[in-house]
Amino acid sequence: GDSVTQMEGPVTLSEEAFLTINCTYTATGYPSLFWYVQYPGEGLQLLLKATKADDKGSNKGFEATYRKETTSFHLEKGSVQVSDSAVYFCALAGNAGGTSYGKLTFGQGTILTVHP
Amino acid sequence: GAGVSQSPSNKVTEKGKDVELRCDPISGHTALYWYRQRLGQGLEFLIYFQGNSAPDKSGLPSDRFSAERTGESVSTLTIQRTQQEDSAVYLCASSLVRGGRVFPDFGPGTRLLVL
Repeated sequence: GDSVTQMEGPVTLSEEAFLTINCTYTATGYPSLFWYVQYPGEGLQLLLKATKADDKGSNKGFEATYRKETTSFHLEKGSVQVSDSAVYFCALAGNAGGTSYGKLTFGQGTILTVHP
Repeated sequence: GAGVSQSPSNKVTEKGKDVELRCDPISGHTALYWYRQRLGQGLEFLIYFQGNSAPDKSGLPSDRFSAERTGESVSTLTIQRTQQEDSAVYLCASSLVRGGRVFPDFGPGTRLLVL
């Protein structure tokens, strides 16, 4: 079945540092890929998405590129802020024609803490 | 527009009691999901509804858990004879299906505590 593997956390950075959170996936066909963010005490928010190979999703300074050849969707940000401290989840959704059409599969989450 | 709403936002119950959690999806969203998130952990898939298709119940952890959805509207997740290990945040998401793809939006969750 489909699966998502995220970089082990927690990740601790200083403000303005560069961030990479690795995400790789296993799926049949061409799934849609997502990053969700969960701020302390809050629900899940969609951060960015990509629906086909070589698409780049971006939002709030975060970026991730859908790499079919390496089955990856790594999250990056050039300069993190204290307010980016949160848990980040990589996820995929199977698309029409696949055995897991529409089903959303999550990685285990990566805790990011940014210090001033 | 209005997002996914869930009720109650918090629920405290005694072990052995039944609870019912409600999810109101975004209007027009044909796909609806339930997930469970235990404290400090990731998201555990429970069940997925897609239009009129049979739901994918493969994530329900035991027969104490069940969920229903009427058409493309409200869904209820029922936990019978609750146990302390059922304590978690229960998250609902809904999605349009466009071009064979989904784009799920999550509700705020129901925080369940079983004493």
